[in-house]
Amino acid sequence: ETGVTQTPRHLVMGMTNKKSLKCEQHLGHNAMYWYKQSAKKPLELMFVYNFKEQTENNSVPSRFSPECPNSSHLFLHLHTLQPEDSALYLCASSQEVGGRGGSTETQYFGPGTRLLVL
Amino acid sequence: AQKITQTQPGMFVQEKEAVTLDCTYDTSDPSYGLFWYKQPSSGEMIFLIYQGSYDQQNATEGRYSLNFQKARKSANLVISASQLGDSAMYFCAMRAPWHGGATNKLIFGTGTLLAVQP
Repeated sequence: ETGVTQTPRHLVMGMTNKKSLKCEQHLGHNAMYWYKQSAKKPLELMFVYNFKEQTENNSVPSRFSPECPNSSHLFLHLHTLQPEDSALYLCASSQEVGGRGGSTETQYFGPGTRLLVL
Repeated sequence: AQKITQTQPGMFVQEKEAVTLDCTYDTSDPSYGLFWYKQPSSGEMIFLIYQGSYDQQNATEGRYSLNFQKARKSANLVISASQLGDSAMYFCAMRAPWHGGATNKLIFGTGTLLAVQP
């Protein structure tokens, strides 16, 4: 496997279910991200992990719970979701060196998980 | 506030012709990076090209070039010799420091849907 992988690629769940999304990066990066992409809205950053530490939680509801056991793996645990949570969830990774915004660290994305909440 | 604006919801281009996708940005930070990503219908965000705010020359990457006009705060993507496989959503993104922390975040525009016609 190369790059960033995500499983499952598609997920349908009821509002009372509990499920988890998995992301794995094979690039040796030290930072990982969860993004949400809803129809007709820009990508929204949800969580950032840098060196396995959660550095930011972008005001995400508690029904989304991230976990980063090591620098290569990132999970998003889902419980009691709402229909409006249906979206494409994208994982990304980058190699952060602590530079300012003009630094060249590029985020590389996985293929995403298409989530439908019924 | 940092913002990315893509004013073209959709565009058509004939195969083998060049096309320009518009992107304007707003930031007060002197150090920032600008990215373009391609998202085919499969969902994966594919990194295309990067331009740093201090770069003196416009970035080029194969058939992609970035027309960077700093004073006008624009970073248009030019695709030369369009191919059918270029049909996709294209997102402009800006990298700016997030709350002054070491981890930078990407701010995305709403995207432009490009359709290449044979």
